[in-house]
Amino acid sequence: GAVVSQHPSRVICKSGTSVKIECRSLDFQATTMFWYRQFPKQSLMLMATSNEGSKATYEQGVEKDKFLINHASLTLSTLTVTSAHPEDSSFYICSARAPGQRREKLFFGSGTQLSVL
Amino acid sequence: GQSLEQPSEVTAVEGAIVQINCTYQTSGFYGLSWYQQHDGGAPTFLSYNALDGLEETGRFSSFLSRSDSYGYLLLQELQMKDSASYFCAVGGATNKLIFGTGTLLAVQP
Repeated sequence: GAVVSQHPSRVICKSGTSVKIECRSLDFQATTMFWYRQFPKQSLMLMATSNEGSKATYEQGVEKDKFLINHASLTLSTLTVTSAHPEDSSFYICSARAPGQRREKLFFGSGTQLSVL
Repeated sequence: GQSLEQPSEVTAVEGAIVQINCTYQTSGFYGLSWYQQHDGGAPTFLSYNALDGLEETGRFSSFLSRSDSYGYLLLQELQMKDSASYFCAVGGATNKLIFGTGTLLAVQP
């Protein structure tokens, strides 16, 4: 149980375009999901906390107009990278807590490797 | 703010024991977690310590000393498949989990 699905796994886009990444909890409901960003050989940096039915909470330094988060249902959160530029190229990964699991145990999607040309 | 420091790389041979350290500074502390991430993959939960002492889960053990703001992950009987990045993480009063700098473990034959 507790499977988080993330799509697409890899996307290549031109500079200036927008890219949407989907994160779904397949067998549980997630009122909260977390979006992380990871550069090669570096840590997972929390970008924002996605809350079902309300606005996302962004970490300091993360542009909310650049990284649009929508959590319209209890099983789906989306991250849209707007007007992408090469510096946005990174590995984006979502996660969620499953009911009945300890709060420190996150279930992660398989990640999205974004390459902006 | 919060910071978690780990050694960047550790190398060991198959069958050996390796310890990956984590020192943290955090406002509000609920416990220390450990995650494993293979190259290009999703992090997976390994263990959690809320109290001081050692927690054992098979070949992996995790230790916490709250007074020293320090913990470690101990991997025994190393196997090639243990080659991965390992992250410590802390959760505080907020709902979020903050990850350490990460340690790349290379297991050699």
